[in-house]
Amino acid sequence: SQTIHQWPATLVQPVGSPLSLECTVEGTSNPNLYWYRQAAGRGLQLLFYSVGIGQISSEVPQNLSASRPQDRQFILSSKKLLLSDSGFYLCAWSRTGRSGELFFGEGSRLTVL
Amino acid sequence: GQQLNQSPQSMFIQEGEDVSMNCTSSSIFNTWLWYKQDPGEGPVLLIALYKAGELTSNGRLTAQFGITRKDSFLNISASIPSDVGIYFCAGPFLGAQKLVFGQGTRLTINP
Repeated sequence: SQTIHQWPATLVQPVGSPLSLECTVEGTSNPNLYWYRQAAGRGLQLLFYSVGIGQISSEVPQNLSASRPQDRQFILSSKKLLLSDSGFYLCAWSRTGRSGELFFGEGSRLTVL
Repeated sequence: GQQLNQSPQSMFIQEGEDVSMNCTSSSIFNTWLWYKQDPGEGPVLLIALYKAGELTSNGRLTAQFGITRKDSFLNISASIPSDVGIYFCAGPFLGAQKLVFGQGTRLTINP
């Protein structure tokens, strides 16, 4: 069976510090991968998605970036965090051709102080 | 860009009551999906709809794909405490690899 895991689960970072959130998927190959952000427990905003290694599409201009160094690994990064980067970050995967059926990770709650 | 409008934004009901929520779009979708998010967790897919007019059930949950392909409905019958959470509708852009979500309906059940 397929599993998705993201970490860390909780993160408290000062403004201006770097960020790295990691997500891995097991039990499938060549998945589509996604990073979403959720603010205040409502609404999911798509940040990045990837259909293959090294292929990243950005949805929202911001100081975040994403990378996919391996087929089942997706990383969300920032060089310098802003207060507005606080939120609940969710990684998700879907099978190729089935973009609607997303499977989400447990989420990473980021607080920037 | 694409936008899905969910209503109501919040619901406060008594245990045992039926629940109904809907989602509308100004654009046509070929797929409608409903997710549920428990507090502090990632959303989980409840029901996927692939055909206009389709009515699909998953236990006490029933969802319908509107004939116009611009709306969808989710009903929950005989609500129980574990139904508490946020319900999201979602749909993929035509031919795109990404999913757009509604703003969610927060369901609270009074004991």
